[in-house]
Amino acid sequence: GQQVMQIPQYQHVQEGEDFTTYCNSSTTLSNIQWYKQRPGGHPVFLIQLVKSGEVKKQKRLTFQFGEAKKNSSLHIPATQTTDVGTYFCAGQTDKLIFGTGTRLQVFP
Amino acid sequence: GAVVSQHPSRVICKSGTSVKIECRSLDFQATTMFWYRQFPKKSLMLMATSNEGSKATYEQGVEKDKFLINHASLTLSTLTVTSAHPEDSSFYICSARQGRDQPQHFGDGTRLSIL
Repeated sequence: GQQVMQIPQYQHVQEGEDFTTYCNSSTTLSNIQWYKQRPGGHPVFLIQLVKSGEVKKQKRLTFQFGEAKKNSSLHIPATQTTDVGTYFCAGQTDKLIFGTGTRLQVFP
Repeated sequence: GAVVSQHPSRVICKSGTSVKIECRSLDFQATTMFWYRQFPKKSLMLMATSNEGSKATYEQGVEKDKFLINHASLTLSTLTVTSAHPEDSSFYICSARQGRDQPQHFGDGTRLSIL
């Protein structure tokens, strides 16, 4: 079946360091979505990418959708403690399949 | 923005009890609602897709007689965990979307603990 993998599984950074999470799907996607989940909370929709090679920015976050529409990345430069949480990509085919998630911890 | 309300937020009950969880889209009509299960520090696993007025589509490995889903209106879907056992303890989250390729909006989740 369709699988969506993310790396790394965990990332611990010092405040001010950059962070990137990578998402790979086993199948071609119609779109990819990104969500953030704070500890104890529910996933919150961040952004949706639809076009091959698309790059979108949302405040400090930069999202990219691969040319083959099978991979994506999220980059946060100069992390802040408010960036703490788990970032999930979710790949859309006939259904939305969540990636394995990357848990980001930021130390002040 | 789109709001999805899920109730209750937390349930603690005895083994053998049936538990109903409600998911409502408050300011939009949801043609499709989804039910996910999330174990601690794990990703969201899709359990079933619920379309208004029709039977839910269950993912492989999910017992439909165990997890009853009803989507009676465009704003309400319910998940009933029948005869719950400790292994059913988990975080259950619903989501709703207006149409295909629209983003899903999530409820706050229900933390279910079966003693």
